[in-house]
Amino acid sequence: GNSVTQMEGPVTLSEEAFLTINCTYTATGYPSLFWYVQYPGEGLQLLLKATKADDKGSNKGFEATYRKETTSFHLEKGSVQVSDSAVYFCGTSYSGAGSYQLTFGKGTKLSVIP
Amino acid sequence: NAGVTQTPKFQVLKTGQSMTLQCAQDMNHEYMSWYRQDPGMGLRLIHYSVGAGITDQGEVPNGYNVSRSTTEDFPLRLLSAAPSQTSVYFCASSPVRQGYGYTFGSGTRLTVV
Repeated sequence: GNSVTQMEGPVTLSEEAFLTINCTYTATGYPSLFWYVQYPGEGLQLLLKATKADDKGSNKGFEATYRKETTSFHLEKGSVQVSDSAVYFCGTSYSGAGSYQLTFGKGTKLSVIP
Repeated sequence: NAGVTQTPKFQVLKTGQSMTLQCAQDMNHEYMSWYRQDPGMGLRLIHYSVGAGITDQGEVPNGYNVSRSTTEDFPLRLLSAAPSQTSVYFCASSPVRQGYGYTFGSGTRLTVV
């Protein structure tokens, strides 16, 4: 089955710093790739996605590019804010034989300090 | 559009008690699933369903039952609660098609004493 390895945290950055959270995956076929964000006390929200190689997903200043050659989908943001403090999950989808599942990494906790 | 609704938001159970966590979605999604989230463990899949009348086990199914009698509802039953089931539980739904992510509920925080 699919698997996801993402950068272990916690990650602490100062406001306006550059953020990279690494994510690599193993999958059969052509999966879709996702980043989810979980704010304290809340459920997971879809942050961005990419459905084919070289696609770039973007939202709220965050970006990630689907790199099939390196099986990666690293999350980046040029200037983080305190409000970006959350846990970030990378995910890859499997679809086939009438089934559909997302496999998630273990999450990376980001804390942004003023 | 309510999305995915989970009830209750908080629950305390005594060891050995049973209960049902409710999950409902109004998006006509075929796929629904239950995850538990524990510190340092990420999200672990308990059970999932690809449509009414069809369910299957995930990574950690022991101690939990599910059924799917309608497209909208996917309840999770704890048969005899144990302290090891103390966790935050999330329900998620999705179309069964590539390129669609999950929509998650806001979670149920369960404590078993």
